Amino acid sequence: AQSVTQLDSHVSVSEGTPVLLRCNYSSSYSPSLFWYVQHPNKGLQLLLKYTSAATLVKGINGFEAEFKKSETSFHLTKPSAHMSDAAEYFCVVINTSGTYKYIFGTGTRLKVLA
Amino acid sequence: DTEVTQTPKHLVMGMTNKKSLKCEQHMGHRAMYWYKQKAKKPPELMFVYSYEKLSINESVPSRFSPECPNSSLLNLHLHALQPEDSALYLCASSQEGQGYTIYFGEGSWLTVV
Repeated sequence: AQSVTQLDSHVSVSEGTPVLLRCNYSSSYSPSLFWYVQHPNKGLQLLLKYTSAATLVKGINGFEAEFKKSETSFHLTKPSAHMSDAAEYFCVVINTSGTYKYIFGTGTRLKVLA
Repeated sequence: DTEVTQTPKHLVMGMTNKKSLKCEQHMGHRAMYWYKQKAKKPPELMFVYSYEKLSINESVPSRFSPECPNSSLLNLHLHALQPEDSALYLCASSQEGQGYTIYFGEGSWLTVV
């Protein structure tokens, strides 16, 4: 069975400094992994997706994530945080035993300090 | 166009009311979903429709009744809800098959009084 663990429930960074949001996954098969962002009172927006092509995935708004099979990780990074990055971030893996069960991590709330 | 549209954005209803949430997508997706999200929690799957047929019901109480009138529309009918049903209800869609991206709407905020 697949699972995903977001290692930090809250992360605070200063504006202009790097962002690292950590995600570890468990999967018996080659997984499909996603990062979504949810701004306050909004729906979920896709940041990026890994599906066994390049291990370094570039997303929107300067975010990227690296798939590391040996570490079962898919951490999200951004070189320089912006105030507008403050939001909730979800790491998601697809359950390959069925096509519809997208398994969500518990979320990481990113706070950006001025 | 990767848009899923939900209406209404906000809904307040009494415990004896009947109301509906509506969702529409024009991406040609054949899988559509309802999720429930409580504050500071990840979304929880409620229902999945595949090719307009109910494929998954995650043991949701019968006071929630989904409907998929056609491949672009998804409704969630609400009746006799409880205050603990107050939450953000998210509609989503994806292509049919494995590994496809799921696209979410902005959600409908439901308050049950």
